[in-house]
Amino acid sequence: GAGVSQSPSNKVTEKGKDVELRCDPISGHTALYWYRQSLGQGLEFLIYFQGNSAPDKSGLPSDRFSAERTGGSVSTLTIQRTQQEDSAVYLCASSRVGAKETQYFGPGTRLLVL
Amino acid sequence: QKEVEQDPGPLSVPEGAIVSLNCTYSNSAFQYFMWYRQYSRKGPELLMYTYSSGNKEDGRFTAQVDKSSKYISLFIRDSQPSDSATYLCAMSAANNNDMRFGAGTRLTVKP
Repeated sequence: GAGVSQSPSNKVTEKGKDVELRCDPISGHTALYWYRQSLGQGLEFLIYFQGNSAPDKSGLPSDRFSAERTGGSVSTLTIQRTQQEDSAVYLCASSRVGAKETQYFGPGTRLLVL
Repeated sequence: QKEVEQDPGPLSVPEGAIVSLNCTYSNSAFQYFMWYRQYSRKGPELLMYTYSSGNKEDGRFTAQVDKSSKYISLFIRDSQPSDSATYLCAMSAANNNDMRFGAGTRLTVKP
């Protein structure tokens, strides 16, 4: 079946602009995760959604970052007033409920803030 | 000190060699241990996961967890050029939603 998809694959923006990154998880996966991968760094957890429960936002680095998940499926990560240090690959993953050890990742969105 | 330490390499081996990749960690609450493979400009792909201590084998890959030493390993036997990628370790506590990742080790297998 189809894997996790993300769009856009690449995004170049100017400092101070807002960006929206989209994630479409695997059908039937109720858990959805966002991570950030900076050059030479491991993945950094950002936010976790599980069904209709309140999301775990403990990894969001600042209040400029927010995410929502509509209808329990597609998720959007929004970064407001982007800064150069926001430049990174943003990865989305999904899993079945209670199966965080088997997350399936999308290809990522490469964000460059000029 | 980072919660998860992983030697970034790069590591270069000849085809057919046995590769050993390792991570150490500091959080004794970690119970789930994963290894991901990431090709250039792709998302990570889950290779193996283990729960608590012990070994797990899948084809040419063997994962080992030593919780007493807070040390995990991934062994690749008969390495192939197609194994050339960055390998990421990841781990998680039982009651946490987030996973902690190592920085990744870049592996090159030369024909």
